[in-house]
Amino acid sequence: AQSVTQLGSHVSVSEGALVLLRCNYSSSVPPYLFWYVQYPNQGLQLLLKYTTGATLVKGINGFEAEFKKSETSFHLTKPSAHMSDAAEYFCARGGSNYKLTFGKGTLLTVNP
Amino acid sequence: NAGVTQTPKFQVLKTGQSMTLQCAQDMNHEYMSWYRQDPGMGLRLIHYSVGAGITDQGEVPNGYNVSRSTTEDFPLRLLSAAPSQTSVYFCASSSRDGLARNQPQHFGDGTRLSIL
Repeated sequence: AQSVTQLGSHVSVSEGALVLLRCNYSSSVPPYLFWYVQYPNQGLQLLLKYTTGATLVKGINGFEAEFKKSETSFHLTKPSAHMSDAAEYFCARGGSNYKLTFGKGTLLTVNP
Repeated sequence: NAGVTQTPKFQVLKTGQSMTLQCAQDMNHEYMSWYRQDPGMGLRLIHYSVGAGITDQGEVPNGYNVSRSTTEDFPLRLLSAAPSQTSVYFCASSSRDGLARNQPQHFGDGTRLSIL
């Protein structure tokens, strides 16, 4: 079965520090991958997506992710964390039958 | 644009009660789906529909029914609520063409449901 694994259910960084949220997927073929963000008591908002083409994907709010086929990874990064980045982040993959498979989420805390 | 609208936003039920969670989209999207979100579990697909009159089960369908009589609406029914169904429920939609191109799904703001 296709799966998405997010390493670390909780990541804590200082304001201004690098943000690195890890996502690995299981697949024998390159998948379609997404990162979503969820702020408290809100729905999910798309940060960025990888379909085909360039492996470094830039998203909103200064986030980017790099698709590495050899490592089956799609880690999310941001050079400098801001207090407003505190949220829960979900990695997801698209399947051939229109279904999205989500990771379990990573809660990002940003300390002043 | 309204996008995906879920009602109600909050609901408390007693065990055994029935309820319908409403989801409506105004983007003429063919594909609609329901997820539940539980702490540490991410989002899990309950049911989905690829068009009016067509529904199918997702990962965790037990205890839930759906129907799709119109393109716009995709209600989720709990026939006999159980405490295990306490969760946050999200509805999402996308155009079929968009899904074929793996465009992202649009999510509603969620319904927070507590079963006592």
